[in-house]
Amino acid sequence: GQNIDQPTEMTATEGAIVQINCTYQTSGFNGLFWYQQHAGEAPTFLSYNVLDGLEEKGRFSSFLSRSKGYSYLLLKELQMKDSASYLCAVRSLSYNTDKLIFGTGTRLQVFP
Amino acid sequence: DTGVSQDPRHKITKRGQNVTFRCDPISEHNRLYWYRQTLGQGPEFLTYFQNEAQLEKSRLLSDRFSAERPKGSFSTLEIQRTEQGDSAMYLCASSPRRRGFTEAFFGQGTRLTVV
Repeated sequence: GQNIDQPTEMTATEGAIVQINCTYQTSGFNGLFWYQQHAGEAPTFLSYNVLDGLEEKGRFSSFLSRSKGYSYLLLKELQMKDSASYLCAVRSLSYNTDKLIFGTGTRLQVFP
Repeated sequence: DTGVSQDPRHKITKRGQNVTFRCDPISEHNRLYWYRQTLGQGPEFLTYFQNEAQLEKSRLLSDRFSAERPKGSFSTLEIQRTEQGDSAMYLCASSPRRRGFTEAFFGQGTRLTVV
C-alpha cells in the first residue's frame, strides 16, 4: 500500500526556522520530492532527494532517510511569502508507471 | 509562456453533463500526468501517458473518466455524467524522459464545480 503522512498545519514567526516532517510507506521508491503550493495556484518544485542525507538550496533544505522512511523540509529565515502548503511526494517508478504519490500537504502560516 | 497550459481555468456544470478539459504540456516533454486535488488534500494521481500511450490509470477512476493524448502532444480529460463529487481542481503535469531526476511541472489547473 501507499501511505504518506505529514502534519496538517503548522505556524511559525517571520525570521524563524521551521521543520516539516514527512513519513512514508510505499511499495516502490525512486526519490522524494517537496513541492510548494500557494492557495489557488499550481504546485512548484522545491527539492528532490534520492540518496540519504541533506540537500541544501538557499533558505530551503531537505533531508532523507530511506531506512526510516522519513524526510523533512527545513525552511530558514522565514518570510511572509512562505505561507503556503508544502507537499511531500514519493516517486513510484516501474516498467509501466512513473508517478508522484502525494501526502495531504502541510499548510504553513507565517506570522509577523 | 513555455509552461504547462490548461484550459479552461474554471468550469461550472450541471450534474449529469459531460465536460472536457485540455492540457498542453511543455514542448518535448513526453510524459504527461493528470491529478485531481480537493480542498485541503494533496494531488491524487489519475492517469499517466508516455507519448501517446496511456500506461497507467488509477483504480480509483471510474469508467466515467477518460483521457487521451493523440499524437503524444496535448491531452484531454473527459468526465461523463458529472456528479457533485467530481468537483475538484484537475491538475495536469509534464516531465521529460531521462534517467535519474525528473521534475514534474504542473499547470495552473482547471477548477470544476458541479451544481
